[in-house]
Amino acid sequence: KAGVTQTPRYLIKTRGQQVTLSCSPISGHRSVSWYQQTPGQGLQFLFEYFSETQRNKGNFPGRFSGRQFSNSRSEMNVSTLELGDSALYLCASSLGQGASEKLFFGSGTQLSVL
Amino acid sequence: QQPVQSPQAVILREGEDAVINCSSSKALYSVHWYRQKHGEAPIFLMILLKGGEQKGHDKISASFNEKKQQSSLYLTASQLSYSGTYFCGTESGSARQLTFGSGTQLTVLP
Repeated sequence: KAGVTQTPRYLIKTRGQQVTLSCSPISGHRSVSWYQQTPGQGLQFLFEYFSETQRNKGNFPGRFSGRQFSNSRSEMNVSTLELGDSALYLCASSLGQGASEKLFFGSGTQLSVL
Repeated sequence: QQPVQSPQAVILREGEDAVINCSSSKALYSVHWYRQKHGEAPIFLMILLKGGEQKGHDKISASFNEKKQQSSLYLTASQLSYSGTYFCGTESGSARQLTFGSGTQLTVLP
């Protein structure tokens, strides 16, 4: 089985722009979660989608949004980019059928905001 | 609230043991452990559930103290391949989201 695929791998944007990141989960996985990773902060939870519905949301401003399609692929959008948004954005997929499932992470999208 | 991991970093020689701790102020349902090597995706190690038994995988094992809301990851006879950043993730309450600690950077030297 193919793993979790995130595109693009690297992205450079300027302040005020918007960006869309894509995540394709492992085939058969219905849950996709997004995390922001910055040095020293670990993995900060953004949101989780299951069957096209947002199931959980972290403590991030409304500039961060996401969606999930019927094929379980997910996109994350950040509008009006700020310098502090520079980070590695990771998505993770799981079967999503029960609690405490292991997550399979993608390699992430490295976003740099100039 | 983010769980607290300790130590933040540890350096050891091949063959030595290490313990990484993870504690939370919330009542936990489960604790997850992941390892991330530089430039790579985090990889799942194990899940410990409330009421469950201590887990083990090869020379890496973990425990979960429900009363203290703490978990410890034990690395026995460390190998070079164990180097990386270890994250604990906790689930609490009704929310299924994982809240991760800031990580413990483990370096194993030959």
